[in-house]
Amino acid sequence: GDSVTQMEGPVTLSEEACLTINCTYTATGYPSLFWYVQYPGEGLQLLLKATKADDKGSNKGFEATYRKETTSFHLEKGSVQVSDSAVYFCALQDDGGTSYGKLTFGQGTILTVHP
Amino acid sequence: DAGITQSPRHKVTETGTPVTLRCHQTENHRYMYWYRQDPGHGLRLIHYSYGVKDTDKGEVSDGYSVSRSKTEDFLLTLESATSSQTSVYFCAISEYLGNTIYFGEGSWLTVV
Repeated sequence: GDSVTQMEGPVTLSEEACLTINCTYTATGYPSLFWYVQYPGEGLQLLLKATKADDKGSNKGFEATYRKETTSFHLEKGSVQVSDSAVYFCALQDDGGTSYGKLTFGQGTILTVHP
Repeated sequence: DAGITQSPRHKVTETGTPVTLRCHQTENHRYMYWYRQDPGHGLRLIHYSYGVKDTDKGEVSDGYSVSRSKTEDFLLTLESATSSQTSVYFCAISEYLGNTIYFGEGSWLTVV
């Protein structure tokens, strides 16, 4: 079945440092890939997505590229801010007809950014 | 923000009691989902619906049932709550297959 593996956390960075959160996946079809972000006490918000190989999703300074050859979708940001402190989830949505669009999530990575 | 309202937002209940969580949407989206979030597991799918009265099980459906009698409402029922069902529950919606899935703000449930 489908699965998503994220790098172990938590991740602690100083403001303006570079961020990479690794995400790899296993899927039977041609999935769409997502990063969701969860700020403390809130629900999940879509951060970015990519629907096919070599697509790059970007939003709020974050980027991730759909790499089919390495089955990866790593999240990157060149300069993090304190306000980026949150939990980040990588997820895939299989294109299979019986999946009904449901998402499969990684375990989440806690990011803390210090001033 | 997607028009998704979950209720109650916080609940404490006793082991063995039934509990119902409600998800209400104002977007007229066809697909609705219930996930639970637990540390180290990310979010896992409990049940989903692909239309009125059309529902199916997800990966962690034991001990849960759902109903969808109207497009806008998707109810999740814990038939007899157990401590292992202490979790944060998220409702999600999607307009059509392959479209973005939007999440509600979550319902924090504690079973004592």
